[in-house]
Amino acid sequence: EDQVTQSPEALRLQEGESSSLNCSYTVSGLRGLFWYRQDPGKGPEFLFTLYSAGEEKEKERLKATLTKKESFLHITAPKPEDSATYLCAVQAGSNYQLIWGAGTKLIIKP
Amino acid sequence: EADIYQTPRYLVIGTGKKITLECSQTMGHDKMYWYQQDPGMELHLIHYSYGVNSTEKGDLSSESTVSRIRTEHFPLTLESARPSHTSQYLCASSTGFNQPQHFGDGTRLSIL
Repeated sequence: EDQVTQSPEALRLQEGESSSLNCSYTVSGLRGLFWYRQDPGKGPEFLFTLYSAGEEKEKERLKATLTKKESFLHITAPKPEDSATYLCAVQAGSNYQLIWGAGTKLIIKP
Repeated sequence: EADIYQTPRYLVIGTGKKITLECSQTMGHDKMYWYQQDPGMELHLIHYSYGVNSTEKGDLSSESTVSRIRTEHFPLTLESARPSHTSQYLCASSTGFNQPQHFGDGTRLSIL
């Protein structure tokens, strides 16, 4: 069964303390992996799409990478405004429906 | 920036009432989606649409129905609300099924 698992569930960092969030997946025929950010009371906001192993995308303090089994969202020198829940979703096989992870809640303390 | 709007933002209503959650987008996207999201849990797809007059059920069994009479409008209806329908409902749209989805800010629904 296709599955997406995100870890850790929650991560508390000091401002400026770099770290990584993990999204591991078991699917047949990856079509794409999507990263979103969700603030409380808001809908998810699109960050990146990765399509093949080895691909990397960057935006400000965020960098997403992809292997054949997992994706990492690296956050460098985070600021309090980076606090949010980060969601990962995978599209695979002939089914275009997204399979979502439960998210990682990131808290950056000043 | 995506322009997709959901109303109401919050709704508290009694059991047995008929409810319609509104979703409109101004981007001309063909594909639209409804998701259900509970706190700390994954998003689950309940309905989606390829375009006008096309609707399909998602993986999550739902007692709701949708319609797509106009490209920009994708309302979701619950004929008789129950406490088990309490959740957050998110609407999204995209240019294609393999393209990023853009979300509204959701409707938080509470059935008493």
